[in-house]
Amino acid sequence: ETGVTQSPTHLIKTRGQQVTLRCSSQSGHNTVSWYQQALGQGPQFIFQYYREEENGRGNFPPRFSGLQFPNYSSELNVNALELDDSALYLCASSAIGTGELFFGEGSRLTVL
Amino acid sequence: KQEVTQIPAALSVPEGENLVLNCSFTDSAIYNLQWFRQDPGKGLTSLLLIQSSQREQTSGRLNASLDKSSGRSTLYIAASQPGDSATYLCAGYQGGSEKLVFGKGTKLTVNP
Repeated sequence: ETGVTQSPTHLIKTRGQQVTLRCSSQSGHNTVSWYQQALGQGPQFIFQYYREEENGRGNFPPRFSGLQFPNYSSELNVNALELDDSALYLCASSAIGTGELFFGEGSRLTVL
Repeated sequence: KQEVTQIPAALSVPEGENLVLNCSFTDSAIYNLQWFRQDPGKGLTSLLLIQSSQREQTSGRLNASLDKSSGRSTLYIAASQPGDSATYLCAGYQGGSEKLVFGKGTKLTVNP
């Protein structure tokens, strides 16, 4: 059984640029969620995708957007990067309604 | 609004000691509670999931309990080992919101 995989593992961007992060969900899971974890903090919910549609969103501005594809993989896009966007971005997959999430290793974004 | 608090923020113990990590939440309408382990710079590894109808779960040297009426969960680690050193996060899952709300974690150091 393949777990949740994320790419890239690390990346550096400059303020104002755009970034795309990718996630492949665990086999058998139909829901993907994205979380942002700043240093020393717990992860914060960005949004969740189910059946290729956004199914819940946290307190993040519209420049954070996402996609889910028919194979349940997902992308997180962040436009107009700000310094405070520097964080570990975690993707999690689950079967809808089960309440049990499985996380990937994350993508470490540094914005200079 | 659900808030999750973890006490203590950091804990250092000698190898072999039994220990308890605490997690409290403000909204008793929590659906599931999940405990995670996070190694530095890495993703989250699920340790235990306590579903809403359950009061505790056990896996090896780990035991987690959930008391929804008091808004508390505890993670008990028996006979701690240096390899247990990591940050432990608890997260509550609220049915309908499809998101996990995390605490900031407890950083555990087990000294040989």
